[in-house]
Amino acid sequence: QQQVKQSPQSLIVQKGGISIINCAYENTAFDYFPWYQQFPGKGPALLIAIRPDVSEKKEGRFTISFNKSAKQFSLHIMDSQPGDSATYFCAATDQTGANNLFFGTGTRLTVIP
Amino acid sequence: DTEVTQTPKHLVMGMTNKKSLKCEQHMGHRAMYWYKQKAKKPPELMFVYSYEKLSINESVPSRFSPECPNSSLLNLHLHALQPEDSALYLCASSTAGGLGGTGELFFGEGSRLTVL
Repeated sequence: QQQVKQSPQSLIVQKGGISIINCAYENTAFDYFPWYQQFPGKGPALLIAIRPDVSEKKEGRFTISFNKSAKQFSLHIMDSQPGDSATYFCAATDQTGANNLFFGTGTRLTVIP
Repeated sequence: DTEVTQTPKHLVMGMTNKKSLKCEQHMGHRAMYWYKQKAKKPPELMFVYSYEKLSINESVPSRFSPECPNSSLLNLHLHALQPEDSALYLCASSTAGGLGGTGELFFGEGSRLTVL
């Protein structure tokens, strides 16, 4: 059972465009929602994260939008650059102490120069 | 540069071999993890050690045997693997407060395992 659903599977964006990746979850106990970025041959790295007490978090060109009632969250990459080409995973976890992070299926982003 | 170091970066082994993957971190983290990642898939949790004790074992076959000798080191011993076990094995660490506390997993670059 996929705890976090992610779409699209792949995304091609022109340089300077906006990349949008969407995720949805069912478990209302989730209270922490990170996004990880993974380049080929590397391990995932935390990009940005949000907690459900805010509806938006922005760090540079990256913004997470969070809709608690819809149980959805999304990553927006503004002014997308070829260097942003990577696979992006959304994830969710809760504070019950279980050290488990539920990942989405991933989105392969390609930014065309 | 990642602060979680994994060795070897690449490993090829036969189904009868015994080998080990090693992971080291010096960030003072007290939770360490093994993940398995197949191509174009998300990481799948295998094991979690918290304060050097195994806290999560996600029903992993016994041909994978984890070991946490101390708070900085994590090993994954491999024996009698199958070709379908070929994957990228990722080590990660986090503060012991749990992922919901600080939330951040620090991943190594992984060990690419091929089983012939």
